[in-house]
Amino acid sequence: GAVVSQHPSRVICKSGTSVKIECRSLDFQATTMFWYRQFPKKSLMLMATSNEGSKATYEQGVEKDKFLINHASLTLSTLTVTSAHPEDSSFYICSASTSGGAGGELFFGEGSRLTVL
Amino acid sequence: GENVEQHPSTLSVQEGDSAVIKCTYSDSASNYFPWYKQELGKGPQLIIDIRSNVGEKKDQRIAVTLNKTAKHFSLHITETQPEDSAVYFCAASFSSGSARQLTFGSGTQLTVLP
Repeated sequence: GAVVSQHPSRVICKSGTSVKIECRSLDFQATTMFWYRQFPKKSLMLMATSNEGSKATYEQGVEKDKFLINHASLTLSTLTVTSAHPEDSSFYICSASTSGGAGGELFFGEGSRLTVL
Repeated sequence: GENVEQHPSTLSVQEGDSAVIKCTYSDSASNYFPWYKQELGKGPQLIIDIRSNVGEKKDQRIAVTLNKTAKHFSLHITETQPEDSAVYFCAASFSSGSARQLTFGSGTQLTVLP
């Protein structure tokens, strides 16, 4: 299947700092990528839909100023957690579609474990 | 919006036995139903999917069935092996503009006992 790469896989930061997570589609172009958050032993919670060249669409309850999303190219979307606090510690996962249309499969990155001290 | 329920939350089977995980969905407009396997500390991996124009799909030891009338779909794993142990998520999807948006089930922790 298609490959989606996330970096970094693990990051530890101090409270108040900002952290950037990258999501890349390695062998296909993705006009749309999705960002999820997953708590321990829980399902994936959609945070936002990232559209190439336009503003991201955030789910209800997700602070757009806290979680900045940029999708500057067809193969790269970034999630920046600004002024991180311990409650932002979580597993963040991105996904991308292999097709520009609605018929494509979604493939997921390996996830990024964020720990805020 | 779509709501997906998944059962059971945990499942233990002996190696070689079969495992079945069931999901129901609420939105009759959903037309794509993937299943994902997630190992500890990793992202979900697509293992099989089915579209609404098909009732059953099989890939080696894994099969998925879909009942559109009842709005439920199931994952079947035969001849289970210890490496099948993981969390499995079902999902239902509808078309939203230019891309799919998935609604996930709550997950099933499958443990295959050697």
